Amino acid sequence: GAVVSQHPSRVICKSGTSVKIECRSLDFQATTMFWYRQFPKKSLMLMATSNEGSKATYEQGVEKDKFLINHASLTLSTLTVTSAHPEDSSFYICSARRDRDNEQFFGPGTRLTVL
Amino acid sequence: GIQVEQSPPDLILQEGANSTLRCNFSDSVNNLQWFHQNPWGQLINLFYIPSGTKQNGRLSATTVATERYSLLYISSSQTTDSGVYFCAPSKGGADGLTFGKGTHLIIQP
Repeated sequence: GAVVSQHPSRVICKSGTSVKIECRSLDFQATTMFWYRQFPKKSLMLMATSNEGSKATYEQGVEKDKFLINHASLTLSTLTVTSAHPEDSSFYICSARRDRDNEQFFGPGTRLTVL
Repeated sequence: GIQVEQSPPDLILQEGANSTLRCNFSDSVNNLQWFHQNPWGQLINLFYIPSGTKQNGRLSATTVATERYSLLYISSSQTTDSGVYFCAPSKGGADGLTFGKGTHLIIQP
């Protein structure tokens, strides 16, 4: 149990395009999901908290108009990188917080490359 | 926010050796998790341990919340244990996690 899927696993796009990443909790409910970003050989940085049915909250320094988050159901959150630029290239990882005990489970990540 | 320090940053061991990874954090926490990140980037949950001691096979963990540290023990290391180990606490149970810089573990055959 406690599986989180994330799609796509890898995406390459041209500068100026938008990219949507989906995060799903497959076998548990997650009122809250989180989005993290990881640069090569670095730690994970929390970008935003996604709450089902309400607006996301963003960490300091993260542009909410650049990284649009929607949490439409108890099992699905999406992150849209709008007008992507090469500096947005990174490894994006979502997590889902299991409602019954607050433990977080992570998706396999999405590697975004913007040309 | 919480400051998280992990030590050692790098560790190279022979197969069969035991190791202790340490995580110090700067504030009181209601959640603390240990993860193993495999070479493909997947974070694998090892322990959810805001306090106390837990064991799972060759791995065990202890968190002493009042002294703001957690330890991860790996016994009888195997080459498949190689990878990066992260400690990640949060102040609130429903908050996002703050990750340390990790311990990069290499187990040599």
